[in-house]
Amino acid sequence: AQSVAQPEDQVNVAEGNPLTVKCTYSVSGNPYLFWYVQYPNRGLQFLLKYITGDNLVKGSYCFEAEFNKSQTSFHLKKPSALVSDSALYFCAVRDLGTSGGSYIPTFGRGTSLIVHP
Amino acid sequence: EPEVTQTPSHQVTQMGQEVILRCVPISNHLYFYWYRQILGQKVEFLVSFYNNEISEKSEIFDDQFSVERPDGSNFTLKIRSTKLEDSAMYFCASSEEGSGGTDTQYFGPGTRLTVL
Repeated sequence: AQSVAQPEDQVNVAEGNPLTVKCTYSVSGNPYLFWYVQYPNRGLQFLLKYITGDNLVKGSYCFEAEFNKSQTSFHLKKPSALVSDSALYFCAVRDLGTSGGSYIPTFGRGTSLIVHP
Repeated sequence: EPEVTQTPSHQVTQMGQEVILRCVPISNHLYFYWYRQILGQKVEFLVSFYNNEISEKSEIFDDQFSVERPDGSNFTLKIRSTKLEDSAMYFCASSEEGSGGTDTQYFGPGTRLTVL
């Protein structure tokens, strides 16, 4: 079975400060991890993904995420937050190692990021 | 940049009525999906569709739901007899390859369904 958890419903950060949005996952095999962002009245927009390779993945809008296998985490980060980053962020996981299992990703509940001017 | 579109943006219906939610996936994509998000809850997978048939569905996708690709561009989700608990945001997504690979799904803006 695959699952993902976003432990924070909301993250508040001041503009210019670094931000972190947390995500932890559980899979039987190897994880395929995503981050999506949802702006008001818009669909989920793909930010970045991890399949294999470097643990630090760079994505759109200067976001990056760090895959940590020992902690089963895939936290989203950005060195300097912008007010325009304020949105809902979703982490998702798919288990690449599941034989005969689902090929559909499981999404977290989402974390609301609020960047204050 | 090509994107997935959905209509309507908001649908209000009476309990027991049928609704059809429409999606136009990205034109060269072959795999299509419906998800829903009840307010304040997780994004939940409903169904995936490839080559004019359902390839995978969740337990949420019961006999009240159906999907169709009536022409070369549209992908629809029909709910035959809506219930109050069907109220949610419904997202359509498409991908170039299947999720069996490592392909990325691209999402539409969603249709907010309100059942009264």
